[in-house]
Amino acid sequence: NAGVTQTPKFRVLKTGQSMTLLCAQDMNHEYMYWYRQDPGMGLRLIHYSVGEGTTAKGEVPDGYNVSRLKKQNFLLGLESAAPSQTSVYFCASLSQYGSYEQYFGPGTRLTVT
Amino acid sequence: SQKIEQNSEALNIQEGKTATLTCNYTNYSPAYLQWYRQDPGRGPVFLLLIRENEKEKRKERLKVTFDTTLKQSLFHITASQPADSATYLCALDRGNNRLAFGKGNQVVVIP
Repeated sequence: NAGVTQTPKFRVLKTGQSMTLLCAQDMNHEYMYWYRQDPGMGLRLIHYSVGEGTTAKGEVPDGYNVSRLKKQNFLLGLESAAPSQTSVYFCASLSQYGSYEQYFGPGTRLTVT
Repeated sequence: SQKIEQNSEALNIQEGKTATLTCNYTNYSPAYLQWYRQDPGRGPVFLLLIRENEKEKRKERLKVTFDTTLKQSLFHITASQPADSATYLCALDRGNNRLAFGKGNQVVVIP
């Protein structure tokens, strides 16, 4: 039982490049989330999903897109990376059975130069 | 505007003492509040949840209080140990299973 996994762990992009971050969970959780964490700021919600095939915007969605084609996977895309998107990205999942505990992945450290 | 405030200064505490962290919030009406622990280079890990109709919750050496009138939660680590050194995050329910996180408060337990 791996929990929540994220790939890659580290990535360096040049401004304007694109990439996709992958989040996978093996707990059959309905809800999944993408956050970013910057120094001196709390975790901020980018996008989230309440089930397979659904996505919704969080607090800071601009510049990102997401897809949830399979229940266990939640993809975060950056179409044209900007230096302001340099951050640590965390994925989390949540069971639909009311425990309210979010399970986090280990994070992806992204640098955009 | 909505705010969640945690002390930005690290709390340095002697081993064996009780560490107390504060989480204050404005313009939220959370049905519950959670505390997470985050170690450097790792994702947050859930510790405790307290609901709006609960005053206090305990788990081993951890205790959380929730005062919806003061809009404040206190998080206590009793008999602190060096292994308790980490950053602790307060998180509020925003509805629809979304959370709003504070910036976190670092605790350093000195042997």
